[in-house]
Amino acid sequence: LAKTTQPISMDSYEGQEVNITCSHNNIATNDYITWYQQFPSQGPRFIIQGYKTKVTNEVASLFIPADRKSSTLSLPRVSLSDTAVYYCLVGDKAAGNKLTFGGGTRVLVKP
Amino acid sequence: EPEVTQTPSHQVTQMGQEVILRCVPISNHLYFYWYRQILGQKVEFLVSFYNNEISEKSEIFDDQFSVERPDGSNFTLKIRSTKLEDSAMYFCASRVGRTVLDEQYFGPGTRLTVT
Repeated sequence: LAKTTQPISMDSYEGQEVNITCSHNNIATNDYITWYQQFPSQGPRFIIQGYKTKVTNEVASLFIPADRKSSTLSLPRVSLSDTAVYYCLVGDKAAGNKLTFGGGTRVLVKP
Repeated sequence: EPEVTQTPSHQVTQMGQEVILRCVPISNHLYFYWYRQILGQKVEFLVSFYNNEISEKSEIFDDQFSVERPDGSNFTLKIRSTKLEDSAMYFCASRVGRTVLDEQYFGPGTRLTVT
């Protein structure tokens, strides 16, 4: 299982773009990169997933360089409600696989 | 939007008592999971369940734990004799399993307090 490393915490202000980089140097060929968000006292929530290049949805963008040894989650124009812990997970997309969470990045959005 | 539900939201029990945590996964999902999160720590996998049997379990999931899908809708986690260190948030999750998207849907959690 690929080990991931991400910053413990980040502060930002409303309206700013937040970029969280996750390193996963030993990512395997079959591994995908997935990001989850967790608000206090709630279960994690899927944000975005990708394999390579760039993926964008209504919530975020995920940038993955060609070597796939890192990835960057980009949250455009954050609001106070984006304050949460963001987890980078790397693993095989085989059906049924458990999710292995690291410590995540605690993002605090200030007014 | 369909969602995973869990009951109760908070359970207080005494050490040594049995508890059953209940979950109703999303109706067309085929894979079911339990995770726990001790306060201030990371989310930890406990067990996965597919086709009415455990497909994987972690070291945490010892003989004190069991899971069941008794009626095709509920998915339960039983802790036979609770310990103080079982105090945590317990999250149920489910996944369709028929698509390539590896998205697990988590419930809101049950906060278990063992006194």
